[in-house]
Amino acid sequence: ETGVTQSPTHLIKTRGQQVTLRCSSQSGHNTVSWYQQALGQGPQFIFQYYREEENGRGNFPPRFSGLQFPNYSSELNVNALELDDSALYLCASSSTANSYEQYFGPGTRLTVT
Amino acid sequence: DQQVKQNSPSLSVQEGRISILNCDYTNSMFDYFLWYKKYPAEGPTFLISISSIKDKNEDGRFTVFLNKSAKHLSLHIVPSQPGDSAVYFCAASVGDSNYQLIWGAGTKLIIKP
Repeated sequence: ETGVTQSPTHLIKTRGQQVTLRCSSQSGHNTVSWYQQALGQGPQFIFQYYREEENGRGNFPPRFSGLQFPNYSSELNVNALELDDSALYLCASSSTANSYEQYFGPGTRLTVT
Repeated sequence: DQQVKQNSPSLSVQEGRISILNCDYTNSMFDYFLWYKKYPAEGPTFLISISSIKDKNEDGRFTVFLNKSAKHLSLHIVPSQPGDSAVYFCAASVGDSNYQLIWGAGTKLIIKP
């Protein structure tokens, strides 16, 4: 059974640029959630995708957008990067949209300069 | 507005003794609580959960206690082992928005040999 993977591991971008982060869900899981974890804080829910549709969104602006593909892998896109977007971005997959038990990838560390 | 608070950034415990990690919350609508463990360079892993209709849930060395009147929960680890050294996150959710977990900032547990 393959776990959740994320790419890239680390990324450095300049303010104003755009970034795409990728996530492959665990085998058999159809739901992917994205979280932002700033330094010294807990993860904050960005949004969830279930069967290729957005299924809930946290308090993040529209420049945070996502996609889920037919194989249930997912992308997180952030436009017009700001310095405060520097964080660890975590992807989690679950077997259903309403599952508490989410399986996390190792995250992508994004630094915006 | 921090709805879930873990007031101890770190905790040091002797191997073999009991570790007690605490979590307070402000939202009385929370009805499900979870604990996750995170090792460096890895995503959080689900540890144990409790529904608001219970006041205790046990899984091996791990027990979670919920005190709804005090809006407080705690995670007990007995006996503590070196592999328990990690950051522990408390998370909570509300009813049918159960995929939107609200997380605390985490407590770093260090088990001393």
